[in-house]
Amino acid sequence: ETGVTQTPRHLVMGMTNKKSLKCEQHLGHNAMYWYKQSAKKPLELMFVYNFKEQTENNSVPSRFSPECPNSSHLFLHLHTLQPEDSALYLCASSQGQRGEKLFFGSGTQLSVL
Amino acid sequence: GENVEQHPSTLSVQEGDSAVIKCTYSDSASNYFPWYKQELGKRPQLIIDIRSNVGEKKDQRIAVTLNKTAKHFSLHITETQPEDSAVYFCAASIGSNFGNEKLTFGTGTRLTIIP
Repeated sequence: ETGVTQTPRHLVMGMTNKKSLKCEQHLGHNAMYWYKQSAKKPLELMFVYNFKEQTENNSVPSRFSPECPNSSHLFLHLHTLQPEDSALYLCASSQGQRGEKLFFGSGTQLSVL
Repeated sequence: GENVEQHPSTLSVQEGDSAVIKCTYSDSASNYFPWYKQELGKRPQLIIDIRSNVGEKKDQRIAVTLNKTAKHFSLHITETQPEDSAVYFCAASIGSNFGNEKLTFGTGTRLTIIP
């Protein structure tokens, strides 16, 4: 499969649950990103990894914990989330860490009850 | 930090007519301006981008213009078709403390093409 693949597509969790979002890119890119997309708000950059090293943490609360074991895989571990964290979480990759020509995954629609 | 404003938030255009979406940015150091298209339930996709050393760029029915002095850039879609219906996002890049470019997105424009 080509492109950027995210799983699961939909996730419903309670505030005390722990869950993980997974992203895999098949494009040979070296940079991967997590973005949050909420209704009527701009896409918000959360984390950037370049060659599996974190190069950006955009003041994200510690209840979101990223993990990048290699340049092709990216995880977002979730614990004790709040209802306001409900959103579409998009993974993206690019060649280089300049945030240019991003290839996005289809996202995980997260609902926190 | 950078602030990107996008207008209008919604736009309806008769099929075949042109559509224009405008964005302004606050930081004169921004030098990269992409546009993304997101169809309903699908991923955002890059449709065109421009650097600050260029004033205009065209790709078939899509064009982007940049006015560095006024700090605004626009997306122009000509001969609109139903498949152009989507949400369009502009963005501007600014260098971060980590030395890499960091995109700041606008809030999006929902474009509807009326058959």
